[in-house]
Amino acid sequence: AQTIHQWPVAEIKAVGSPLSLGCTIKGKSSPNLYWYWQATGGTLQQLFYSITVGQVESVVQLNLSASRPKDDQFILSTEKLLLSHSGFYLCAWSPTGVEQYFGPGTRLTVL
Amino acid sequence: QQQVRQSPQSLTVWEGETAILNCSYEDSTFNYFPWYQQFPGEGPALLISIRSVSDKKEDGRFTIFFNKREKKLSLHITDSQPGDSATYFCAASAGGTNTGKLTFGDGTVLTVKP
Repeated sequence: AQTIHQWPVAEIKAVGSPLSLGCTIKGKSSPNLYWYWQATGGTLQQLFYSITVGQVESVVQLNLSASRPKDDQFILSTEKLLLSHSGFYLCAWSPTGVEQYFGPGTRLTVL
Repeated sequence: QQQVRQSPQSLTVWEGETAILNCSYEDSTFNYFPWYQQFPGEGPALLISIRSVSDKKEDGRFTIFFNKREKKLSLHITDSQPGDSATYFCAASAGGTNTGKLTFGDGTVLTVKP
């Protein structure tokens, strides 16, 4: 069975500080991977997607970047956090590019 | 213009009743419609989905009714249970590509009272 793990579970960071969030998929080779952002009480907005190692496409510009250094790993990062970056970050995977399965998420608070 | 719309924003039903959640979309290229269930503090879970070639999809107490002509769909939850209390998101995508771009609605918060 496939499992998806996100780290950290939660972060409290200062404005202007760097950030790195991670996502790992186990039990599935070459999955499509996605990053989403969700404001508190809000909808989900897709940020990035990756079909293969080393290739990442941006969907929305939010002063964030993403990388896929390994087949099973997806990283979301920024060098300088903004207050507007606060929210719930979700990683998702898909075996086919159609149905998507979400991870447990990382709660980010920027102060 | 919002591509996927959900109504109502919130819905309260009694245990045992049928909850009906509505969704509509704008883009006629959308052909895959998943519904996600999200509990507070957790990631959304894929509940049930339908493709535009079908007009109905059933899975236990959950049924999607789809009207392609009117670009509308609805999720029916029969025999609602307090454990069904959650936020439900309707989403849509134009399948057939690898991008997997899902467009989500704003969600419906369902409360089931015992």
